[in-house]
Amino acid sequence: GAGVSQSPSNKVTEKGKDVELRCDPISGHTALYWYRQSLGQGLEFLIYFQGNSAPDKSGLPSDRFSAERTGGSVSTLTIQRTQQEDSAVYLCASSPLDISNYGYTFGSGTRLTVV
Amino acid sequence: KQEVTQIPAALSVPEGENLVLNCSFTDSAIYNLQWFRQDPGKGLTSLLLIQSSQREQTSGRLNASLDKSSGRSTLYIAASQPGDSATYLCAVRPVSGGSNYKLTFGKGTLLTVNP
Repeated sequence: GAGVSQSPSNKVTEKGKDVELRCDPISGHTALYWYRQSLGQGLEFLIYFQGNSAPDKSGLPSDRFSAERTGGSVSTLTIQRTQQEDSAVYLCASSPLDISNYGYTFGSGTRLTVV
Repeated sequence: KQEVTQIPAALSVPEGENLVLNCSFTDSAIYNLQWFRQDPGKGLTSLLLIQSSQREQTSGRLNASLDKSSGRSTLYIAASQPGDSATYLCAVRPVSGGSNYKLTFGKGTLLTVNP
């Protein structure tokens, strides 16, 4: 597609429920990133996928968070047993392999509210 | 650990003014620096990407400069318009290590341009 697509754009869920957030990167971009933006905070790195390499999951805040990327394209971020502190905007970005010359392209994000 | 600071946190100007947003970073070992715009409730839109070897980049009414040795970047907006109202974020990509794909973001400057 023309840009990075994320769905849903907004999600309200009850505490304790599981949620899935989807990211469809730009076609041909091998790198995919998830970031989280909490109210009043900067963007926080969550996870990085690059081609068929093992993902860098070092930014995931707890074992309730997991992510996968199928076929080197679409990625799903799953949050199990959601807590109120998980409320944030979850942003996905993608970039070409040559990251030295290209910046990130971000999607519009998913605003998650846990009530 | 890299830290990125943006000053001021908020700025309000009348339409037509030229203005400067500031970004400073503590570790000068960067690959590039990227300026983004974020509208309320939206994702990030890339404005300008400056490689570490460059001094500035221009796009329309926007000009970004980079002084890597002093750890500073500025975003200059000429003849500001109400449509420029948004949060402006800067982010740096590190040079070294196996995680040079991770951006470090500032918390942003909230710009309001009054008609």
